[in-house]
Amino acid sequence: AQSVTQPDIHITVSEGASLELRCNYSYGATPYLFWYVQSPGQGLQLLLKYFSGDTLVQGIKGFEAEFKRSQSSFNLRKPSVHWSDAAEYFCAVGARDSSYKLIFGSGTRLLVRP
Amino acid sequence: GAGVSQSPSNKVTEKGKDVELRCDPISGHTALYWYRQSLGQGLEFLIYFQGNSAPDKSGLPSDRFSAERTGGSVSTLTIQRTQQEDSAVYLCASSAQGATNQETQYFGPGTRLLVL
Repeated sequence: AQSVTQPDIHITVSEGASLELRCNYSYGATPYLFWYVQSPGQGLQLLLKYFSGDTLVQGIKGFEAEFKRSQSSFNLRKPSVHWSDAAEYFCAVGARDSSYKLIFGSGTRLLVRP
Repeated sequence: GAGVSQSPSNKVTEKGKDVELRCDPISGHTALYWYRQSLGQGLEFLIYFQGNSAPDKSGLPSDRFSAERTGGSVSTLTIQRTQQEDSAVYLCASSAQGATNQETQYFGPGTRLLVL
């Protein structure tokens, strides 16, 4: 079955520290991979996406993610976290053969310590 | 340009009433999706429209849920005889047609539905 796992429900980091949010997927076809961020009371904003090619993708707000096919992972990273990064982060997968409908992970809530 | 808009932003209704939620996609986007975000179920797909093709309704949780898309643009999600378990945030997303664009979905702010 197709699924996305975000093993960390909550992560707390200090401002200025580095960040890595984990995402693992199970998908039969070659997936398209996404990271979205959701601030309280807001919709989902696209951070970055991977379709093909270079496995290290850059996104907005200084985020990057690396696709590792052998580990079925698409982890999100940021070298230095800002207080404004506090939000919930969702990893998602989609594919052409399933109408591109997204399957989401359960989300990771990021708290930033001053 | 303008993003995806949804209305109302909040809706409180009584159990058993019908509700309609509206989505205005990004102009020119031919694909439109509805998702539901609830505490117990997370983010889940409901329905997908693409151009004039028959919609993919595989995610609708019951026959109380229906959706239509008029003129290939605005979409309305209707929930009949609402139940308390329908309380959730309903998110709409749209994407552009084309081999490299269709995969990226842009989301609206959502409609927060509370069924009393």
